[in-house]
Amino acid sequence: GENVEQHPSTLSVQEGDSAVIKCTYSDSASNYFPWYKQELGKGPQLIIDIRSNVGEKKDQRIAVTLNKTAKHFSLHITETQPEDSAVYFCAARAGGTSYGKLTFGQGTILTVHP
Amino acid sequence: EAQVTQNPRYLITVTGKKLTVTCSQNMNHEYMSWYRQDPGLGLRQIYYSMNVEVTDKGDVPEGYKVSRKEKRNFPLILESPSPNQTSLYFCASSRPSGGSYEQYFGPGTRLTVT
Repeated sequence: GENVEQHPSTLSVQEGDSAVIKCTYSDSASNYFPWYKQELGKGPQLIIDIRSNVGEKKDQRIAVTLNKTAKHFSLHITETQPEDSAVYFCAARAGGTSYGKLTFGQGTILTVHP
Repeated sequence: EAQVTQNPRYLITVTGKKLTVTCSQNMNHEYMSWYRQDPGLGLRQIYYSMNVEVTDKGDVPEGYKVSRKEKRNFPLILESPSPNQTSLYFCASSRPSGGSYEQYFGPGTRLTVT
């Protein structure tokens, strides 16, 4: 089955700096890669996603890049703010007949210091 | 308000006592899924359902049962809970459209099995 590895597990930055979180996946048939943000005491919430036929997607201060050949994708947050502090999860969605399966990475705790 | 609700939010039980965690969504979503969240392991999919009467195993289905008799409800059943099922559980729903498979998560159920 799919295996998603996420790094780093913790990330500490100063306000205004950029933050990058990286994920690798194992199943070349995976075709959809979302990123979720989880604030304390809440369920995860989608912040950006990318499909396998797209190399990069941007939404204001956040962007995701996908390298299908290397089977890795990354989340980039620019001009970080204290409210960006949360746990971030990457995920990969299986293709084919198992398209309901979604495998998450282990999570990254991002702390943005004012 | 569009939402996913879970009940109960907190539950402490003893080994072997059958329990059910309910999940309901009011968005008419076809897809629903259950996850467990454990420190350092991220979110792991237990079961998912593509529609009424259609369910399939995720990555960690052992010890759990599900049913999908109505579109809005997707209960998680632990017939004989064990301490290793102590975890934070999330239900999620989705309606794939336009290439996005955004999942809407419930608030979580914290289960302790003693």
